[in-house]
Amino acid sequence: DTGVSQNPRHKITKRGQNVTFRCDPISEHNRLYWYRQTLGQGPEFLTYFQNEAQLEKSRLLSDRFSAERPKGSFSTLEIQRTEQGDSAMYLCASSLASGLALYEQYFGPGTRLTVT
Amino acid sequence: DQQVKQNSPSLSVQEGRISILNCDYTNSMFDYFLWYKKYPAEGPTFLISISSIKDKNEDGRFTVFLNKSAKHLSLHIVPSQPGDSAVYFCAASADDKIIFGKGTRLHILP
Repeated sequence: DTGVSQNPRHKITKRGQNVTFRCDPISEHNRLYWYRQTLGQGPEFLTYFQNEAQLEKSRLLSDRFSAERPKGSFSTLEIQRTEQGDSAMYLCASSLASGLALYEQYFGPGTRLTVT
Repeated sequence: DQQVKQNSPSLSVQEGRISILNCDYTNSMFDYFLWYKKYPAEGPTFLISISSIKDKNEDGRFTVFLNKSAKHLSLHIVPSQPGDSAVYFCAASADDKIIFGKGTRLHILP
């Protein structure tokens, strides 16, 4: 399977705990994006990387959130001191940073976070 | 503020007929528009796209129309098939980011 993979698929945590999610993009893709999706909404942009460089972060990404992409391969998204409002589906996507391929993002299945 | 709007939360269409999904946008700086399809428990999958310099793009049963003056685009699926039942997201791109609408759930009726 050469698609985008995300782990874990589901995470239940208690408020105040830290959680970390992992995304493995398609191997030749140099762009990697993180989105959050809540019920009844479309995916909302959080941040993106080109290779290992984090190029932009949304206002949605509070200082409790941090993302890394060491060596420009997989990426991790960490949420510290989780709050109930963090409950959502966290989606990762990847693409090539080249011409029109830039816009055709391939999504993983997501990690569903539930904060109790 | 919602820059990409899908005003119909759901749509039901008879199998074999045409499905038309609509989308409006507010940002005239968008330069590329996309449609994604999402099945339950899966991430969205890219379906079809159109550049802002074109007004139509066709791929098999799927055609996207863009009306820049009205800031409106639509996705036509003909003929509709049972496997087309899914949530469809309209999306638009500017500055390397994609902004998604809330989605329209399409039900194909037998």
